[in-house]
Amino acid sequence: AAGVIQSPRHLIKEKRETATLKCYPIPRHDTVYWYQQGPGQDPQFLISFYEKMQSDKGSIPDRFSAQQFSDYHSELNMSSLELGDSALYFCASSFREAFSGNTIYFGEGSWLTVV
Amino acid sequence: LAKTTQPISMDSYEGQEVNITCSHNNIATNDYITWYQQFPSQGPRFIIQGYKTKVTNEVASLFIPADRKSSTLSLPRVSLSDTAVYYCLVLDSGGYNKLIFGAGTRLAVHP
Repeated sequence: AAGVIQSPRHLIKEKRETATLKCYPIPRHDTVYWYQQGPGQDPQFLISFYEKMQSDKGSIPDRFSAQQFSDYHSELNMSSLELGDSALYFCASSFREAFSGNTIYFGEGSWLTVV
Repeated sequence: LAKTTQPISMDSYEGQEVNITCSHNNIATNDYITWYQQFPSQGPRFIIQGYKTKVTNEVASLFIPADRKSSTLSLPRVSLSDTAVYYCLVLDSGGYNKLIFGAGTRLAVHP
């Protein structure tokens, strides 16, 4: 079965540079979520989109922005990168809104290393 | 949002049944309980989800008492490959589209 696809899987950037992560949800899924997981930490919710509109916002820095496109894929843009942004970034998707028992599926993540 | 509390760590041996209990005292009426498994450097993998009583699939069972203030994930006959972090989460049905991860349970399965 098709899963959530994230690219790139690994990315190395220097401080103050910009990075873009892409997420392709499971076909027919209309909701996308972004999470950040630092080394040894639990995943932290960043932001989510439903039908191309931002639906919720978590602990996403102002330097980060995201959007969901007409084909439902999503991109997370990170600017003025800091060493502390080094983490594993997960994208997840679900069909319709994540209540009434709809399941959220996660991708394998994109490793961002800031040097 | 319903906060979840689960053991920080557990140890077991191959072939044993493992039960991980999670408390979610302020779960809302329409919230669902969902469990994920995560291996190092991999995305959380969905295990099982339920609303009440008992749910079973090919890898686990989920027991939810009538008051729904807790739930227990049961893994039958664990193997070394079940060593992972297990997260109990509540699906927020209040119109917000997200799962909030708390501290998961680090399960170590020994030979």
